[in-house]
Amino acid sequence: EAQVTQNPRYLITVTGKKLTVTCSQNMNHEYMSWYRQDPGLGLRQIYYSMNVEVTDKGDVPEGYKVSRKEKRNFPLILESPSPNQTSLYFCASSDLWTSPHNEQFFGPGTRLTVL
Amino acid sequence: AQSVAQPEDQVNVAEGNPLTVKCTYSVSGNPYLFWYVQYPNRGLQFLLKYITGDNLVKGSYGFEAEFNKSQTSFHLKKPSALVSDSALYFCAVSLPLTDSWGKLQFGAGTQVVVTP
Repeated sequence: EAQVTQNPRYLITVTGKKLTVTCSQNMNHEYMSWYRQDPGLGLRQIYYSMNVEVTDKGDVPEGYKVSRKEKRNFPLILESPSPNQTSLYFCASSDLWTSPHNEQFFGPGTRLTVL
Repeated sequence: AQSVAQPEDQVNVAEGNPLTVKCTYSVSGNPYLFWYVQYPNRGLQFLLKYITGDNLVKGSYGFEAEFNKSQTSFHLKKPSALVSDSALYFCAVSLPLTDSWGKLQFGAGTQVVVTP
């Protein structure tokens, strides 16, 4: 089954404790992206990647890091989480290069709470 | 910079009545426009897109959207709403073939409530 998976689905942590949210897709997509969803703000793009070893900042990259060492994986790293990073996070992927229409497939989301 | 506005936080409609969810955008260039739907506790699902051509675009689950370049709008419509259409709907815009073509800008979302 074609899908985007995220782990963990739920995470409660404390300020300053480094964490990683994993994202993996099995569709051989070049493009992957991370978003955060906050009430009243919709989805805001954190980082995106057009291909392996190519990453770019979205609209809200502060406090986050990403890496793209393999095509299928795009982990989101919070080096020192803060309470304002409490949010619902979505990973997405797209077959951007062969069909540049940016129709994205989303993972199920990771709800992160930083105390 | 590109931006998307969904002027209504919530739309209430009775089952069987027409449903419209509004979206306006502001970009320089020729955008790609999208609608996504989010059901409770789920990720977003693609509904439809406008790339070029016919201004009326048909998508999944009986939804359609009309692109209006002069009004910079891309309203989502369904002729006869179902209770199962109750969800959160997002409009999104991207600018392909530019330096920003990897960026996808979402609106704040519109909650649709369809009552029996």
